[in-house]
Amino acid sequence: GAGVSQSPRYKVAKRGQDVALRCDPISGHVSLFWYQQALGQGPEFLTYFQNEAQLDKSGLPSDRFFAERPEGSVSTLKIQRTQQEDSAVYLCASSPSGGGTNEKLFFGSGTQLSVL
Amino acid sequence: DQQVKQNSPSLSVQEGRISILNCDYTNSMFDYFLWYKKYPAEGPTFLISISSIKDKNEDGRFTVFLNKSAKHLSLHIVPSQPGDSAVYFCAASVGAGSYQLTFGKGTKLSVIP
Repeated sequence: GAGVSQSPRYKVAKRGQDVALRCDPISGHVSLFWYQQALGQGPEFLTYFQNEAQLDKSGLPSDRFFAERPEGSVSTLKIQRTQQEDSAVYLCASSPSGGGTNEKLFFGSGTQLSVL
Repeated sequence: DQQVKQNSPSLSVQEGRISILNCDYTNSMFDYFLWYKKYPAEGPTFLISISSIKDKNEDGRFTVFLNKSAKHLSLHIVPSQPGDSAVYFCAASVGAGSYQLTFGKGTKLSVIP
């Protein structure tokens, strides 16, 4: 596709419900990132994939958060037993290179998660 | 503890004038800095970057200045245009090839026609 695509655009969940957020990176991009942006804050790093390998998950807030990218393209961020503090915009970004090269990060429009 | 700080939540500037957005950082390990621009309902897009070996980087109407001793950087937009109205995020990393960015909270710029 032309850009990074994320779905759904909006997600409302009841507290305790599991959710799955999808990211379609730009075709051929090696690196994929997930960031969490709470209201009034800047994006915060969650996790990083190089192809299908999850090289860094140090930013995941708890073990309720799980991300995968099984075939090195589409990625899913799963949040189990959602809590109100999980409410945020979840941004996915991809990069053509495998070494990071921050300025070549292409962000999707995000999924806005609201936990009631 | 915020390692990247943008102390002005908002800024209004007249069209044609200069916009100056400021950013301070506390982590002395940061050596690569970026500015991202974000329109409503869109993801951030890369604008300009600077390495700590430089004190200035220019790209068209956008110039970033870095003062390492003060741990301060600024983004200058000259002349400002209504289309520049957006939220601007300052971000930093340890190394240009680092994949982990630390962002500030952002400054909302409004350029008034």
